[in-house]
Amino acid sequence: ETGVTQTPRHLVMGMTNKKSLKCEQHLGHNAMYWYKQSAKKPLELMFVYSLEERVENNSVPSRFSPECPNSSHLFLHLHTLQPEDSALYLCASSQDGGEQETQYFGPGTRLLVL
Amino acid sequence: AQRVTQPEKLLSVFKGAPVELKCNYSYSGSPELFWYVQYSRQRLQLLLRHISRESIKGFTADLNKGETSFHLKKPFAQEEDSAMYYCALRVRNSGGSNYKLTFGKGTLLTVNP
Repeated sequence: ETGVTQTPRHLVMGMTNKKSLKCEQHLGHNAMYWYKQSAKKPLELMFVYSLEERVENNSVPSRFSPECPNSSHLFLHLHTLQPEDSALYLCASSQDGGEQETQYFGPGTRLLVL
Repeated sequence: AQRVTQPEKLLSVFKGAPVELKCNYSYSGSPELFWYVQYSRQRLQLLLRHISRESIKGFTADLNKGETSFHLKKPFAQEEDSAMYYCALRVRNSGGSNYKLTFGKGTLLTVNP
């Protein structure tokens, strides 16, 4: 598959579970992003990785832990989540540094925390 | 801090009617603005960006710095234009090493037959 892929597409977890979301980009980009999309809020930027280094952390609770092992893969590790964390989690990638930089989004993982 | 405001949560028009989706921003620097679109059951994707001054699928958007606006317009709406539209402002992050997007809340456009 080309572009940006995310797995799983749907996830239901209890508050005591530990799970991970995976994102993979096949575009040769050097920056990757995690966003949270809730029903009544704007898209919220959570983390930014550029050249595999975290360059942005928008006051995200520590129960969300990102990992970027290489420029093509991005993970979001989840533990002891709350019901209000239920949302669509979107991954995006871009080629950082270019003036015409565009972010390409994955299809998202819809998370439900019970 | 930067902010993007889309005052209309919902917008409904008839096919063939003109449509305008409003976007206002606040940012102290030089803005770079984008419109993203999300069709039903599809991923979020870029529609157009102000720097390109392009028309995509009949849509145009002009950056008005005086009014701090970047409204999206189309003279004749089509049913396939029904989607969620997000206005976004791109700025450099605090470290200056990367860009980040700040999104508005989105406007759901419904084009009725």
